[in-house]
Amino acid sequence: QVQLVQSGAAVKKPGSSVKVSCKASGGTFNSYAISWVRQAPGQRLEWMGGIIPMFGTTNYAQKFEGRVAFTADADESTSTAYMVLSSLTSEDTAVYYCARTYGGWGYLDYWGQGTLVTVSS
Amino acid sequence: SYELTQPPSVSVSPGQTASIPCSGDKLGHKYACWYQQKPGQSPVLVISQDNKRPSGIPERFSGSNSGNTATLTISGTQAMDEADYYCQTWDNSLVVFGGGTKLTVL
Repeated sequence: QVQLVQSGAAVKKPGSSVKVSCKASGGTFNSYAISWVRQAPGQRLEWMGGIIPMFGTTNYAQKFEGRVAFTADADESTSTAYMVLSSLTSEDTAVYYCARTYGGWGYLDYWGQGTLVTVSS
Repeated sequence: SYELTQPPSVSVSPGQTASIPCSGDKLGHKYACWYQQKPGQSPVLVISQDNKRPSGIPERFSGSNSGNTATLTISGTQAMDEADYYCQTWDNSLVVFGGGTKLTVL
């Protein structure tokens, strides 16, 4: 059974950056894309983009391009993806999810537990 | 950019059939999938590729997609099905979510 375990909650100052990790187990990490999705309090799911670890290929939603970076440790013994979001504002306060994405950039079949990022001065 | 539209809310009585629509330009030419999200939990995939149920998803969940509208249907709706439901597709390698529909079972 595929499991994605994310890093813990973080509190950040405006203007700073946050790094969230997503460790996969129970499946073939490199063969699939890992998407990052965020959800502000009471709001909809919002796809940010992601990475295909095998190739290091990244994909970005236009809204986040230039402010977010996706990386991954392709070694199967590590199997961890990372998301760094910079220039944080209060509007970035949200739960951030990683999710395995099937069929290239298709459907998201396994999700992490979510990481709450709070941006506050 | 591509957009998916869902009604904010749908209500259904226990044991009845709930239908949640999701509309987008020529959506029937793409794949649609659906997620269920309960408060404080991560989304769960309930329908992939228009009408495929992942392992462990009850048979009462089904999907269809034609024209400009994809529909999630829950037959014999149970109280445990009360949740937010999101449709999703992908367009030019970009993942797109609908705005979500709150299903109330009353």
